[in-house]
Amino acid sequence: EVELVESGGGWVQPGGSLRLSCAASGFIFSDHYMDWVRQAPGKGLEWVGRTRDKANDYTTEYAASVKGRFTISRDDSKNSLYLQMNSLKTEDTAVYYCARAGFAGATTWGYFDLWGRGTLVTVSS
Amino acid sequence: DIQMTQSPSTLSAAVGDRVTITCRASQIISSWLAWYQQKPGKAPNLLIYKASSLESGVPSRFSGSGSGTEFTLTISSLQPDDFATYYCQQYNSYSFTFGQGTKLEIK
Repeated sequence: EVELVESGGGWVQPGGSLRLSCAASGFIFSDHYMDWVRQAPGKGLEWVGRTRDKANDYTTEYAASVKGRFTISRDDSKNSLYLQMNSLKTEDTAVYYCARAGFAGATTWGYFDLWGRGTLVTVSS
Repeated sequence: DIQMTQSPSTLSAAVGDRVTITCRASQIISSWLAWYQQKPGKAPNLLIYKASSLESGVPSRFSGSGSGTEFTLTISSLQPDDFATYYCQQYNSYSFTFGQGTKLEIK
């Protein structure tokens, strides 16, 4: 079965750190760009960032709201994606989704064709 | 960042109705637009990409149109399973951005 499963969410105090993981299965993980998208409680969707594939040197992109605090990485040998979150703020409270970038016509695009179920991160004192 | 604005924010409709949701971009994004459906407590699900391309497995009652800055998602005949929140998303440039969502409610 093709799926993404996030883990690592929980409660953390402001200023703290947390590392999220996303386990992929059912497809060739190493072939795909991967993204993180978050959703604050009762709010809309916000793109967090992306990691490209090995052919593109695993380069990354980030939203301005998390740049310098969050780091996306991947381990293709483990079919896993990670989100290291440092200097957490109360406004980072959200469900964090792992998402696969769409791939069509031998090109990777910016839409997301596969999503995990999400993991909740709560930043509160 | 490119701002995406959806209208309406809430839409009440009945089973069998034809509904249209509009998404406007703050600058030209060509056809680099996707639509998602999200149900409470669930992850979003891709419906449409490249403004009008139907994702595999998505019912043909869903269709998308538009280019430039104005886009629409149309559901030709609402089914009970379609009552959900819909989001547009631009992928013309980083940072990718989403509309604020349109909640489709049962009338």
